[in-house]
Amino acid sequence: EAGVTQFPSHSVIEKGQTVTLRCDPISGHDNLYWYRRVMGKEIKFLLHFVKESKQDESGMPNNRFLAERTGGTYSTLKVQPAELEDSGVYFCASSLWGPPSAEAFFGQGTRLTVV
Amino acid sequence: GDSVTQMEGPVTLSEEAFLTINCTYTATGYPSLFWYVQYPGEGLQLLLKATKADDKGSNKGFEATYRKETTSFHLEKGSVQVSDSAVYFCALSDQLAGGYNKLIFGAGTRLAVHP
Repeated sequence: EAGVTQFPSHSVIEKGQTVTLRCDPISGHDNLYWYRRVMGKEIKFLLHFVKESKQDESGMPNNRFLAERTGGTYSTLKVQPAELEDSGVYFCASSLWGPPSAEAFFGQGTRLTVV
Repeated sequence: GDSVTQMEGPVTLSEEAFLTINCTYTATGYPSLFWYVQYPGEGLQLLLKATKADDKGSNKGFEATYRKETTSFHLEKGSVQVSDSAVYFCALSDQLAGGYNKLIFGAGTRLAVHP
């Protein structure tokens, strides 16, 4: 069974450009999460989908970030326009059941560099 | 708010040495506690977890005990191998604080084991 897959693995863009990150969760997992690790610091929660609905987007830093999950399958995270401080590793995770006891399976992350 | 603090790295050990990575937490409710590991080029993997006080999580020779009195969840291994070289993240999920849908991570500790 395929794990959580993220595309691209690396992205280098200029300040002001737009970037779209994609996450394909494990098939059948209704719960999908986005996290971000900036500058080697803590991994921070961005948002949580249950199927196609945003359950919690309290971690989204500002309105330059837009997450979607049309049809409740894969998800995209768009950053428009990108700023230097958006650089970091963006992780996606999925789980079959809701937390806290359910194991969330993480993708390998997308390393975003804004120059 | 809830938070996780773990010892700064990098931690450098010789093969077969004893490992301790300290983790302490602050939580308003009764959190579940986790250790995740990220091997080079891979995504985060759940290493072990504990859901209530005095529980011991264990996996692959690693252990951690949920200590409510000291608000700690230190990771230990009696004899590390080169293949244990990775970044280790301590995390919590706190249902009572309304954060049941998200993991709160520490900054991560890089472990390097040399032959």
